Amino acid sequence: GQQVMQIPQYQHVQEGEDFTTYCNSSTTLSNIQWYKQRPGGHPVFLIQLVKSGEVKKQKRLTFQFGEAKKNSSLHITATQTTDVGTYFCAGPSFYGNNRLAFGKGNQVVVIP
Amino acid sequence: DTGVSQDPRHKITKRGQNVTFRCDPISEHNRLYWYRQTLGQGPEFLTYFQNEAQLEKSRLLSDRFSAERPKGSFSTLEIQRTEQGDSAMYLCASSSTGTSGRAWMYEQYFGPGTRLTVT
Repeated sequence: GQQVMQIPQYQHVQEGEDFTTYCNSSTTLSNIQWYKQRPGGHPVFLIQLVKSGEVKKQKRLTFQFGEAKKNSSLHITATQTTDVGTYFCAGPSFYGNNRLAFGKGNQVVVIP
Repeated sequence: DTGVSQDPRHKITKRGQNVTFRCDPISEHNRLYWYRQTLGQGPEFLTYFQNEAQLEKSRLLSDRFSAERPKGSFSTLEIQRTEQGDSAMYLCASSSTGTSGRAWMYEQYFGPGTRLTVT
């Protein structure tokens, strides 16, 4: 079953507005990674969070790892059309130390 | 181009046929992963190599699936007696060793994928 749950699964965002996507796990995660997949493309690594309560910023993107290391969020400000795509979070799978378990993703559509 | 490459990009086959996909990882990466992705889902782990050794396989990987990485460089994924349920995007990813033995700590670089359609 899914180890990391992402909400919402779909979002329509007006260009210029902010939005947040969430990732939740029932178990404590050692780390969490975020990937972005453009329509018709492949997943591209965005960032990795390791420490409890960690916050990292990449221009308009702010990533946060919860204090209990069971949840994470990605907040995007002033959405642009280039932000369209599906955002995935991924954590270490409890089935094996060498594999990542991906969420179902949050598909974001930007309305011009 | 030093990224991960996959061949072919698209494959249409009839049910019951065998197919083989190839992945060329980033040259200095010794870890290689195969994933399957269907519409509306995230990548689903299939198998993992460190150098030429296949260290992990998902329980989802039936006996019809086999993967190899004979010289620790490129890898092949073969599906025998394809079924319609095998239709999906097959993604390959590679990552570096780093200084930790924990593979999940390192970012993965994905290839463009091979889209398989079984008719």
